[in-house]
Amino acid sequence: DAGVIQSPRHEVTEMGQEVTLRCKPISGHNSLFWYRQTMMRGLELLIYFNNNVPIDDSGMPEDRFSAKMPNASFSTLKIQPSEPRDSAVYFCASSWGTPDQPQHFGDGTRLSIL
Amino acid sequence: ELKVEQNPLFLSMQEGKNYTIYCNYSTTSDRLYWYRQDPGKSLESLFVLLSNGAVKQEGRLMASLDTKARLSTLHITAAVHDLSATYFCAVDGYQGGGADGLTFGKGTHLIIQP
Repeated sequence: DAGVIQSPRHEVTEMGQEVTLRCKPISGHNSLFWYRQTMMRGLELLIYFNNNVPIDDSGMPEDRFSAKMPNASFSTLKIQPSEPRDSAVYFCASSWGTPDQPQHFGDGTRLSIL
Repeated sequence: ELKVEQNPLFLSMQEGKNYTIYCNYSTTSDRLYWYRQDPGKSLESLFVLLSNGAVKQEGRLMASLDTKARLSTLHITAAVHDLSATYFCAVDGYQGGGADGLTFGKGTHLIIQP
């Protein structure tokens, strides 16, 4: 079975540019999560959706970040304008939305803002 | 705010030895997860622990949960080189029937030397 699919795998762009990260969850999963991983701050939850509805976006750093889930099979995380401090690995994860099932993580997008 | 602390953060050990990684968390929860991450890779689910006294084992790894002490342990028995990785514990602080985003510890970077 296909796992969580993220694109692009790597993104290098200049400060001020718009960045869009994409995620396709595992088919049938109804919860989707965006995390960010940095050396300094570790793994942080940014936002998560249940049944395509954003439930908790308190981890989104600031208004430059936005996330959408227009349907059950696709989500985007957008940064506009991007800044060097946004450089990180961004992971998308999905799950069945029950505590007995673990979240399944994608391979991540390694983002570098110059 | 839920806090999750792991120790040690770095561990170098010899093959054949036993060791334990500790994970403390700051709020009432009976939902704890262990993940493994290889360098530059995604996170792989190892264990889901959902009740006080829960114990799960897979090969040389055994995880347990003490919700009263707010403590989980990951025990490694007769370590082998292939277990070298970073291990994360994560807590879901939600009390209801669904699942919430996870709060992760900083990770334990484990190196197993021949």
